[in-house]
Amino acid sequence: AQSVTQLGSHVSVSEGALVLLRCNYSSSVPPYLFWYVQYPNQGLQLLLKYTSAATLVKGINGFEAEFKKSETSFHLTKPSAHMSDAAEYFCAVSARDDKLIFGTGTRLQVFP
Amino acid sequence: SAVISQKPSRDICQRGTSLTIQCQVDSQVTMMFWYRQQPGQSLTLIATANQGSEATYESGFVIDKFPISRPNLTFSTLTVSNMSPEDSSIYLCSVERGGPIYEQFFGPGTRLTVL
Repeated sequence: AQSVTQLGSHVSVSEGALVLLRCNYSSSVPPYLFWYVQYPNQGLQLLLKYTSAATLVKGINGFEAEFKKSETSFHLTKPSAHMSDAAEYFCAVSARDDKLIFGTGTRLQVFP
Repeated sequence: SAVISQKPSRDICQRGTSLTIQCQVDSQVTMMFWYRQQPGQSLTLIATANQGSEATYESGFVIDKFPISRPNLTFSTLTVSNMSPEDSSIYLCSVERGGPIYEQFFGPGTRLTVL
């Protein structure tokens, strides 16, 4: 079975600071991993995905994530936070089938 | 990617009534999914809607409460039946074009409040 744990339901950073959102997964098969972002009153938008190619994945809006099998992690980072990055971020895992299992989400706040 | 629209975008309903949510995609897709996002929580899959067959429901969700239609490859509906305040949630549809990546694209969601 697959599961995802997102450490920290809320993360606050200053504008220009590093963003680090943590995601650990459990999967019985080599997983596909995804990060989605949800802006207020909107649906989910795909930020990036890992599909067993390069372990360092670059996504939209300057975000990237690194797949570390030894740590079963897929943390999301951005070198410099922008006010527009304030949103809810969800990590999700797929056992290479149709089902996505979502984490509980991390709300990112960015202060000026 | 895919452009997905949902109607209505939000609604306020009375206890005991039913609401049908529509999901329209701009191109043909193989798989469509319906999720529920309760206030302050993550997404939970309700069911998978396949064209030409019965929807497949996840544990804890039943067809009598959440009937789903999938009449063609670009459209699906989810009905929330006999609503109670506990059904107040955001309901999202998503689509997937098929393997090998199984990437899902989401609609904007329907925000439902049940009084």
